[in-house]
Amino acid sequence: DQQVKQNSPSLSVQEGRISILNCDYTNSMFDYFLWYKKYPAEGPTFLISISSIKDKNEDGRFTVFLNKSAKHLSLHIVPSQPGDSAVYFCAASPQGGSEKLVFGKGTKLTVNP
Amino acid sequence: GAGVSQSPSNKVTEKGKDVELRCDPISGHTALYWYRQRLGQGLEFLIYFQGNSAPDKSGLPSDRFSAERTGESVSTLTIQRTQQEDSAVYLCASSRNAPGIFNYGYTFGSGTRLTVV
Repeated sequence: DQQVKQNSPSLSVQEGRISILNCDYTNSMFDYFLWYKKYPAEGPTFLISISSIKDKNEDGRFTVFLNKSAKHLSLHIVPSQPGDSAVYFCAASPQGGSEKLVFGKGTKLTVNP
Repeated sequence: GAGVSQSPSNKVTEKGKDVELRCDPISGHTALYWYRQRLGQGLEFLIYFQGNSAPDKSGLPSDRFSAERTGESVSTLTIQRTQQEDSAVYLCASSRNAPGIFNYGYTFGSGTRLTVV
């Protein structure tokens, strides 16, 4: 049973436009949510995180929105650049301060020049 | 080095053989994690080491899997009597103590791609 779901396996956007990557979760006890970016043949790299007590966190072109009532979060990338093309993983941390993360299956983003 | 180092980067083994995967975490990172990613799947938690505490082994899929870590340094993940379903990319990550993880996340290595034939 998947606790973190990324229902879109892929997304294609035009350079300069907004990319919106979605993530849903089922466990209301999750405390923190993180986004990772992964290029082929490399390990995932941390992108941005959000605590469950917030509804928005922004870092440059990247913004994560959290809707606790809907158990939904999204990552917005504005403006999208070809170098953003990668697989994006959503991850969540169970309550209790555990650092063990639960990951979604990822969404492959392609930004076309 | 500055990052998490994993070796080998690729491993092809015959079904039934044992394999050992190695991870060198970032110096000073007290926490070390092993995950695996099977084809088309997300990252699956295997085991977590934090300092001298007992490891969290709750993600290990069977007793064929084991891992060790000496102090706050190198870790090895051993898979005995490998099966084809063990084929995956095995990723190691390290982090500072919480709450750093939630500001900076884990630092992952590039992984070991294991193929069992």
